[in-house]
Formats: sequence, structure tokens, C-alpha cells
Amino acid sequence: DQQVKQNSPSLSVQEGRISILNCDYTNSMFDYFLWYKKYPAEGPTFLISISSIKDKNEDGRFTVFLNKSAKHLSLHIVPSQPGDSAVYFCAASGRNFGNEKLTFGTGTRLTIIP
Amino acid sequence: GAGVSQSPSNKVTEKGKDVELRCDPISGHTALYWYRQSLGQGLEFLIYFQGNSAPDKSGLPSDRFSAERTGGSVSTLTIQRTQQEDSAVYLCASSSNRVSGNTIYFGEGSWLTVV
Repeated sequence: DQQVKQNSPSLSVQEGRISILNCDYTNSMFDYFLWYKKYPAEGPTFLISISSIKDKNEDGRFTVFLNKSAKHLSLHIVPSQPGDSAVYFCAASGRNFGNEKLTFGTGTRLTIIP
Repeated sequence: GAGVSQSPSNKVTEKGKDVELRCDPISGHTALYWYRQSLGQGLEFLIYFQGNSAPDKSGLPSDRFSAERTGGSVSTLTIQRTQQEDSAVYLCASSSNRVSGNTIYFGEGSWLTVV
């Protein structure tokens, strides 16, 4: 039972354009959402998060949007840069973040084309 | 060090042997997590510690897998009688109590190959 789904295994975007990565979840108890970026042979690194009380959170080139009614979130990267090429994981937690597990999606491999 | 430290970084073992993977979390972090990523797969939850206790070990795939944490710090994941399907990168992460903008921080992983 995949509670966090990233239906696009890969995405290619031209440098300078916007990259949009999507994530859907099924568990209505999820309350806190995070995006991680992973380079080959490295551990995932935190990018940005959003609480369910918000519908948008922005940090530099990265913006996360949350649509609770649709159980959908997306990560926007603009402008996309070659260094953004990596695998991106969406993750979700209940209200007790830090005292329970994070559930991860299967990842989307983003390739930025110079 | 400042980050989550894992050892060994790479381990090749023969099928049937036992392996131990070690995680040293960020100092002061009370929560510790083990995940694994098999080739081409997502991040699979294994076990979560709060202090020395494991309130959620629901992700351990079989009784060949066990983990402990001592002194509220270092954790060891043990895999007994390894099988080829255990080959994966085992990732450890830690976090403090939730505050605004908090996250969990991952180590670089231990790459396990069972031959």
C-alpha cells in the first residue's frame, strides 16, 4: 500500500525553465510534508517542507504547494539549473513529526538539460 | 562530526553471514530512523527509535533484522544470515523534537552487497 506516490519516475527540463515535480498521498492523517533531493552515492538532503496549515512555502528557487482537498503537493524549481539534476523524494508525516516515521514516495529523477 | 555518521560505507558479504551496520546520529537528536533503498526503489522504512526504545519497528522485513540503540545515541542494525535480496543502501537519519521547519537529517548510507 503506497501511501505516498510519485507517478513520474523521470522528468527532463531545459535549463532556465521551471521544473514541476508532483506527489500524491492517500492518508488523510498526514500533516507535514517534505521534499528531499538525492545525488548518487549520497544520502538524501532536505530541501523544503510544508505544514498542512499552509498551502504554499517558498525558499529561494524552490516553492512547495499543498492542495489538501486533492491530497496533492508539488515542488516547483525556477529557474532550473544543471546542479538540480538528482532524484527528488516526497515524504509525509502525521501530526507527531519527530516522533513517528516519515513515509517516502518512490522518487522522480530530474534531469536538467543544458 | 556535525552530521549523521554511518559505518561501514561499503560492505560486501557472503550469503549467510551476519552483518552489523552502525549509525552515529547528530548530537542531541533523540529520534533515530533506519531506512533502506534497494536498486531502483524508493526509501523503505525499517525502524524508528525515540531515545533507546523502538516504538515503531513495523518496517523490519523479517526476524533476521534487528536493531538496538544504546545511551540514546549510537544505533546498530544487524542482519543475520544475509540473503541476496538484502543488498541495498541502508540509510540512517536523526531528528530533534518538532519545531517549525524541522526535518530529519540523513547520513551517507551503508552500501551492502550480498554475494
